[in-house]
Amino acid sequence: ELKVEQNPLFLSMQEGKNYTIYCNYSTTSDRLYWYRQDPGKSLESLFVLLSNGAVKQEGRLMASLDTKARLSTLHITAAVHDLSATYFCAVDPTFYGGATNKLIFGTGTLLAVQP
Amino acid sequence: KAGVTQTPRYLIKTRGQQVTLSCSPISGHRSVSWYQQTPGQGLQFLFEYFSETQRNKGNFPGRFSGRQFSNSRSEMNVSTLELGDSALYLCASSLDGPSYEQYFGPGTRLTVT
Repeated sequence: ELKVEQNPLFLSMQEGKNYTIYCNYSTTSDRLYWYRQDPGKSLESLFVLLSNGAVKQEGRLMASLDTKARLSTLHITAAVHDLSATYFCAVDPTFYGGATNKLIFGTGTLLAVQP
Repeated sequence: KAGVTQTPRYLIKTRGQQVTLSCSPISGHRSVSWYQQTPGQGLQFLFEYFSETQRNKGNFPGRFSGRQFSNSRSEMNVSTLELGDSALYLCASSLDGPSYEQYFGPGTRLTVT
């Protein structure tokens, strides 16, 4: 059974600090997604990582994928209050190289950025 | 381009009733997936439809069913509602290709009393 584990589950950080959220998964996949969710809202797509070594950056967020280690990271640089939200990673368990469109989500990381 | 739309946005039902939720994908997207989000179980995959065919199914009881129409709009139905079915139901649409991404709708908040 595919498992996707995120840590930490809760992250309280001060503005201006850096931190990393980790996402480990248990099966072969070369499709990993990061989403943001604000309270009571839907999921906003942040990054789609499609190959080993993929790195993408948008503003203060940078995501990377290591398919051999089955690990993705979401790095936050110089956090600001607006980044406070829950962040999810999700894995598509590829089947013979084809996507399944069946995303398996991690537990989420609740990020609270304190002024 | 309009995003994924879901109706209704909020719904209150009583145990034992049934409910139908609707999802209209982004124009041109033929894949629609459904997810259930609860505080206890997190985000769980329900099923995925492509060209009116169910391609993937999650581990949910048969009370949960869905369908997709020729215009790619999708509905999901839950029969004999239980309290534990209270959740945010999200649908997502995507192009079916090697480098697609899934775009999520605003969700339907279902409360079962």
